[in-house]
Amino acid sequence: GAGVSQSPRYKVAKRGQDVALRCDPISGHVSLFWYQQALGQGPEFLTYFQNEAQLDKSGLPSDRFFAERPEGSVSTLKIQRTQQEDSAVYLCASSPYPGGSYNEQFFGPGTRLTVL
Amino acid sequence: KNEVEQSPQNLTAQEGEFITINCSYSVGISALHWLQQHPGGGIVSLFMLSSGKKKHGRLIATINIQEKHSSLHITASHPRDSAVYICAVRLLNFGNEKLTFGTGTRLTIIP
Repeated sequence: GAGVSQSPRYKVAKRGQDVALRCDPISGHVSLFWYQQALGQGPEFLTYFQNEAQLDKSGLPSDRFFAERPEGSVSTLKIQRTQQEDSAVYLCASSPYPGGSYNEQFFGPGTRLTVL
Repeated sequence: KNEVEQSPQNLTAQEGEFITINCSYSVGISALHWLQQHPGGGIVSLFMLSSGKKKHGRLIATINIQEKHSSLHITASHPRDSAVYICAVRLLNFGNEKLTFGTGTRLTIIP
């Protein structure tokens, strides 16, 4: 199992609930990305980590969204007080080098979040 | 207007046909990615281009930086090629790792 894994694969939350989505990148990969993909749309960038440093969080839609990668491997995307518009597939991708968008990115299967 | 536009949005073809999917972008870029997304969400990276042409099996990707245009070609198409193909670009800003994605082209190959 050398690929990127994400958990849970599916999450149903009630509006106002907090959720935490986990990404396990490929071991040793330096770059880690989070994307949000609404139904029928292309993914949209949320945030980028190089090792444990969050170098770009310009895509996070509000201060309810928070991401961390404290030891430079596993990352968690947390959404507080979920709203219906947060319903989407959340994709994680990793890349072996810094400057991950110059290199092939390896995507996880995504977490489908549904907020009722 | 989206920074990345793909055409067509949907494409249905017979098995064996030559397929072309187009991607146009309106801003300066330093890299362009072609990705394949199957039903169920799994995304696979096909190519990363900054110039010229790349080939892998039956897939060919080209990019024309001056015209801000890239194409993905599939030769001898097969039903297993049915998927959504997504173009994504890395904007030409120093230190900007953000990828901007098109909305995808849904390809269906009929046996």
